[in-house]
Amino acid sequence: ETGVTQTPRHLVMGMTNKKSLKCEQHLGHNAMYWYKQSAKKPLELMFVYNFKEQTENNSVPSRFSPECPNSSHLFLHLHTLQPEDSALYLCASSQDYYSENTGELFFGEGSRLTVL
Amino acid sequence: QKEVEQNSGPLSVPEGAIASLNCTYSDRGSQSFFWYRQYSGKSPELIMFIYSNGDKEDGRFTAQLNKASQYVSLLIRDSQPSDSATYLCAVNRDDKIIFGKGTRLHILP
Repeated sequence: ETGVTQTPRHLVMGMTNKKSLKCEQHLGHNAMYWYKQSAKKPLELMFVYNFKEQTENNSVPSRFSPECPNSSHLFLHLHTLQPEDSALYLCASSQDYYSENTGELFFGEGSRLTVL
Repeated sequence: QKEVEQNSGPLSVPEGAIASLNCTYSDRGSQSFFWYRQYSGKSPELIMFIYSNGDKEDGRFTAQLNKASQYVSLLIRDSQPSDSATYLCAVNRDDKIIFGKGTRLHILP
């Protein structure tokens, strides 16, 4: 496996369900990110982990809960979501954080989430 | 004022012509600048980055940065149908990567 892989690729859940998105990077990078992409909106940064420590929480509602057990794996736990949370959730990694090349992001294919 | 602004398009360019994509940003302290390409139904892919004023060329792509005017542009020479995609401009502001909404580019065969 190479690059950044995300599972599942598609997820449909009810507002009372609990589910998780998984991301794994095989690039040896130190920083991992969750982004949200909604129609007609720019990519929104949700969370940043650097060396598996959370460094950014961009005012994300608590119904989204990230977990980073090591530098290669990142999860996004979802519970009691709202229909407006339906979007494409993208995981990304970069070699480092707090550096000039922080924006050199490698994205996974994304998890398309639909909340009914 | 939006942090990173792009014309949403679509921008239609004949095959073989030069496509010019523009982006302006609001924070003068922004340090580095990136262009991503996103095909429909796919994830963004980094194609260019630029840190210093001036031009940076990579194959058919040229990124141009003017920090005084707070704009960054991407030129695509000899446009091909495979260049049809949405191009996202991104700016590193205090280690946060801020994206624009993107410009849809359509190369006409």
